[in-house]
Amino acid sequence: DAKTTQPPSMDCAEGRAANLPCNHSTISGNEYVYWYRQIHSQGPQYIIHGLKNNETNEMASLIITEDRKSSTLILPHATLRDTAVYYCIVRGLTSNTGKLIFGQGTTLQVKP
Amino acid sequence: GAVVSQHPSWVICKSGTSVKIECRSLDFQATTMFWYRQFPKQSLMLMATSNEGSKATYEQGVEKDKFLINHASLTLSTLTVTSAHPEDSSFYICSARDSGGFGYNEQFFGPGTRLTVL
Repeated sequence: DAKTTQPPSMDCAEGRAANLPCNHSTISGNEYVYWYRQIHSQGPQYIIHGLKNNETNEMASLIITEDRKSSTLILPHATLRDTAVYYCIVRGLTSNTGKLIFGQGTTLQVKP
Repeated sequence: GAVVSQHPSWVICKSGTSVKIECRSLDFQATTMFWYRQFPKQSLMLMATSNEGSKATYEQGVEKDKFLINHASLTLSTLTVTSAHPEDSSFYICSARDSGGFGYNEQFFGPGTRLTVL
């Protein structure tokens, strides 16, 4: 599975959009981009995933560049409860029995 | 839907004792479950993949005789930390892979179990 690179930390003002970048320059054609987040002392929570088209759900939007080498997770109106560590993970749909390998992630601090 | 529970949520034990942690998928079937360990201020580290009805697959460096995994049914996997020592103190998290219900191929995580070994 391809490796990802994320900034270690970011700040965002409450009510503003939070844009979290992820680089995955070695992604292959059948690998998806997944985003999870982990609020302190809880299990990770699935946010969104995509292959090459932009995706949106009730939590966030995922923008994947045309060459698929990078992506951005967008939280449109960040709240204090969005403060968490956000993990970008690249994974093939059927590779390695589907296991997720977590990197260091981005710690997002939403400030009032 | 797609809820995964863990029991207990926290446990304190004496050095040398064994501790069992349960992971249950409450509203879906999971032929595959995963066990992770997380130390303070670190990311999740995958320990093993648990497959229903077969032996678990352990990641490199994880002692299979120390961390016993049993996946006896489509909704339950257990992790037993045998002869626990203080260095085994950690946050243990399981995830269950949906076999085709709520979200095909997606993984859902439990709330974690905090183990403290005195």
